[in-house]
Amino acid sequence: AAGVIQSPRHLIKEKRETATLKCYPIPRHDTVYWYQQGPGQDPQFLISFYEKMQSDKGSIPDRFSAQQFSDYHSELNMSSLELGDSALYFCASSLSPRSGDEQYFGPGTRLTVT
Amino acid sequence: AQTVTQSQPEMSVQEAETVTLSCTYDTSESDYYLFWYKQPPSRQMILVIRQEAYKQQNATENRFSVNFQKAAKSFSLKISDSQLGDAAMYFCANTGANSKLTFGKGITLSVRP
Repeated sequence: AAGVIQSPRHLIKEKRETATLKCYPIPRHDTVYWYQQGPGQDPQFLISFYEKMQSDKGSIPDRFSAQQFSDYHSELNMSSLELGDSALYFCASSLSPRSGDEQYFGPGTRLTVT
Repeated sequence: AQTVTQSQPEMSVQEAETVTLSCTYDTSESDYYLFWYKQPPSRQMILVIRQEAYKQQNATENRFSVNFQKAAKSFSLKISDSQLGDAAMYFCANTGANSKLTFGKGITLSVRP
C-alpha cells in the first residue's frame, strides 16, 4: 500500500540558510499535518492543511511557512535556520480532518543545522 | 487545551511476559480520541491502538489492549506475550475537536530475551 512520502530524508544546512521539506500524502488523503520532533523529545504539532487551506496552527515559528498544493502535496519552508531547528520533521496525512481519523506518518526528514 | 502525561521514562519486560505502560491525560472536551504510537529505532511513527472516548469498551489489537478509565482520565497500554520487536519508544496521544495530536513525553520499553 502507498505510504506518505517525504523528501529529502536527510538535510544538512548551515545557520541562516533556508530549507524546504516536501510531503506527498497517501492518495485520496486531503489532510496533511506537520510535526517537529527534537532530540529526545515528543513530536510537536506545527501546522495542518485541509483541502489546500490551513486548518490549524501550533507552535510554528514565524520563520517557517507552509502550504498545500492543488495535488495535495505540502511543503514546509524554513528560513533563517537556527541550531535549535535541528530535528526530525514528520508529515502525516489522513482521509479527512475529523478528529478520530488515523494519521499516517511519513518516515520523516532529519534536518541538521550546523 | 489537551495535556498528556507519561510519568515513567523507561520500562523493561522479559520476553513472553506482559507489561503495562501508563498514561494520564487532561481535556476540557467531551468528544476526544486517545492513541498509542510506537516509535522503533527507525524513528517511524506507527499507530498501535486507538480508543474513542465515547466508547466504554476497551480497544484491543491482537497482543495490545488498553485500560481506559474515563473518570480517572487514564489510558494505559497492555502488551501481552512481549516480543523482542516490541522494544521501542511508546507515545500516548490524544486529539480533541481539532485533529492535531498532542503527545506525552514517551516511554522507552526494552525487552529482555
